[in-house]
Amino acid sequence: GDSVTQMEGPVTLSEEAFLTINCTYTATGYPSLFWYVQYPGEGLQLLLKATKADDKGSNKGFEATYRKETTSFHLEKGSVQVSDSAVYFCALRPYSGAGSYQLTFGKGTKLSVIP
Amino acid sequence: DAGVIQSPRHEVTEMGQEVTLRCKPISGHDYLFWYRQTMMRGLELLIYFNNNVPIDDSGMPEDRFSAKMPNASFSTLKIQPSEPRDSAVYFCASQAGRNEQFFGPGTRLTVL
Repeated sequence: GDSVTQMEGPVTLSEEAFLTINCTYTATGYPSLFWYVQYPGEGLQLLLKATKADDKGSNKGFEATYRKETTSFHLEKGSVQVSDSAVYFCALRPYSGAGSYQLTFGKGTKLSVIP
Repeated sequence: DAGVIQSPRHEVTEMGQEVTLRCKPISGHDYLFWYRQTMMRGLELLIYFNNNVPIDDSGMPEDRFSAKMPNASFSTLKIQPSEPRDSAVYFCASQAGRNEQFFGPGTRLTVL
C-alpha cells in the first residue's frame, strides 16, 4: 500500500540556519503531496502542497518540489526562525481509487529552532 | 469563520469508564475523519465518513471503539470501556471533496 517515509527527528537548528526535512513516498500513479505543520498544543494545518510532477509548493518561506523520478518531496527553508519550531508531517493522497479522499501521513519530524 | 470544533479539549478518566469525544466539522464539508496521535504510533486514521456514512473503519483498534455521525454537523467517537493504552490525542478533521483537510485542536485523553 501507499506509504510516506520522512527523516527521523528531532532536528535542532540555530536561528537563520538552512532547513531540509527529507520525505520520500511509495504510491502508484501520481498522488498529491502535502506538508502539514503542527504547532505545540494545536491540530495540524496545511503548509503547502503539490499535485503533479515538478510542481513546487511554497508558503511562509517554505518550499518543496514534487520529484517523480526520486519519489521525493523534501521540505526546505532558507532561514528558519524560532517561530518555525513545530512538528512537520509529509503526507500523500492517491490520485484515484477508493482511498483517494484520505491522507497517508509520515511519522512527523520535530523541529526546534534556538535563538 | 469557525474551524473544526472538538470537545472536550482535555479528558481525564479512570480505566473502565465510558468516554465520548465530540466533533463539529466545518459547515459544508462532506468528509469527516477521526485520527489518534501517540508518540509510539504517530498519527493513525481511525475512521472516516462521507455524507454521514462510515466509509472505512479499518483503523478502529477494537470493538471498544465506535463512531457515529448522526447528521452533517456532529460526530462522536466513543470508547467503552476505556483502558490506559487509549491515552492519546484524538483529532477530528473535515474536508470538502478532495480539497484541503482541516484539523480540529484535538482532545487530549488520559486514562488512569
